[in-house]
Amino acid sequence: RKEVEQDPGPFNVPEGATVAFNCTYSNSASQSFFWYRQDCRKEPKLLMSVYSSGNEDGRFTAQLNRASQYISLLIRDSKLSDSATYLCVVPKQQGNTPLVFGKGTRLSVIA
Amino acid sequence: NAGVTQTPKFRILKIGQSMTLQCTQDMNHNYMYWYRQDPGMGLKLIYYSVGAGITDKGEVPNGYNVSRSTTEDFPLRLELAAPSQTSVYFCASSLGGDGNTIYFGEGSWLTVV
Repeated sequence: RKEVEQDPGPFNVPEGATVAFNCTYSNSASQSFFWYRQDCRKEPKLLMSVYSSGNEDGRFTAQLNRASQYISLLIRDSKLSDSATYLCVVPKQQGNTPLVFGKGTRLSVIA
Repeated sequence: NAGVTQTPKFRILKIGQSMTLQCTQDMNHNYMYWYRQDPGMGLKLIYYSVGAGITDKGEVPNGYNVSRSTTEDFPLRLELAAPSQTSVYFCASSLGGDGNTIYFGEGSWLTVV
């Protein structure tokens, strides 16, 4: 299994739809997970952290499934402004080595 | 509240030329990173640093060099530019390693012709 793997998409959904992305990871000892958002021709920015108990922020919900080694991001009531690439980020290994970024899943919300 | 600042934003280089991408952060972060992102692709780590005086190779270090003489600055040197180095380069920083938010600069678009 690759360190981190995401479905590249694109996911084309209508406004108001619910969409979910999954991301698998290989390091079973990983403790910290994140979702970053990257707009076209812009830098990535933190969207939310993923906690063991799950994490909800408004229309966004992130969940962790340790047994199957994947994290998910659920977006409810999609807005046009949600169109972006969503990057899954996981630890490479414990200690000082940097986090590993997935290649991203592209979402287009259509009016 | 500048965060991570990188310059230049755009640059065109001729094959064989050298240049330095500048990066500075004002958040007193220990960790700094350089990534490159090719069109439609993910981020690839070039070099990173866990503190002043300490640097380490990432996934794609060939053709690049870095230094970290201060906490704030982490310049990336391109030696003998090649067309394969045409990319967007992002500098980033974080307070620590695992579990810390990574803050990115706005990117530097480099074309080698």
